[in-house]
Amino acid sequence: DVKVTQSSRYLVKRTGEKVFLECVQDMDHENMFWYRQDPGLGLRLIYFSYDVKMKEKGDIPEGYSVSREKKERFSLILESASTNQTSMYLCASSRSPGTSGTTLETQYFGPGTRLLVL
Amino acid sequence: GDSVTQMEGPVTLSEEAFLTINCTYTATGYPSLFWYVQYPGEGLQLLLKATKADDKGSNKGFEATYRKETTSFHLEKGSVQVSDSAVYFCALRKFYRNEKLTFGTGTRLTIIP
Repeated sequence: DVKVTQSSRYLVKRTGEKVFLECVQDMDHENMFWYRQDPGLGLRLIYFSYDVKMKEKGDIPEGYSVSREKKERFSLILESASTNQTSMYLCASSRSPGTSGTTLETQYFGPGTRLLVL
Repeated sequence: GDSVTQMEGPVTLSEEAFLTINCTYTATGYPSLFWYVQYPGEGLQLLLKATKADDKGSNKGFEATYRKETTSFHLEKGSVQVSDSAVYFCALRKFYRNEKLTFGTGTRLTIIP
């Protein structure tokens, strides 16, 4: 089974702190994604990466950065946390189109990290 | 741009009731359509999908049919169970190298015994 793990289930940080959220997948997937989930807004894409050291902005990248130094790991960084970044953060991974297998269109999600910024 | 509109929740039903959660989309081209489910305390799981018009996705008693003429992908189940209580997300994907998904806002479903 595909497994996507996130470093923390719950985090409490203070305004202005630098925050790192880590995500690891064990299926050699090319694509990795960071979303935030807020009530009434659904999931919104922050950043994604389709290869090591490659990244692209999603719909709401402001206030965030990412790092992908290894294929299995995708980190989300809040350079200076603010209260409006209190949210649930979800990581996902998927195989790229053109590779073999039956999981071409499935994104696999981690359990989420609930971040509270005080 | 692309968007997904979902039925507003929350939805509360009695066990064995019939379920419909509406989903409509706006997109150019021919997107693939998905329903994801999020059980309490967990991440999202793919429930079902359809990749072209008139396809029917099905899983765990849930069904949804890709209707291009009405740009809809409504989720249905004939007899819900307490274990179906979760948040349901409709999503679309257009072909990009990165398989970017666009999600609806989610519908919280609660089933009472």
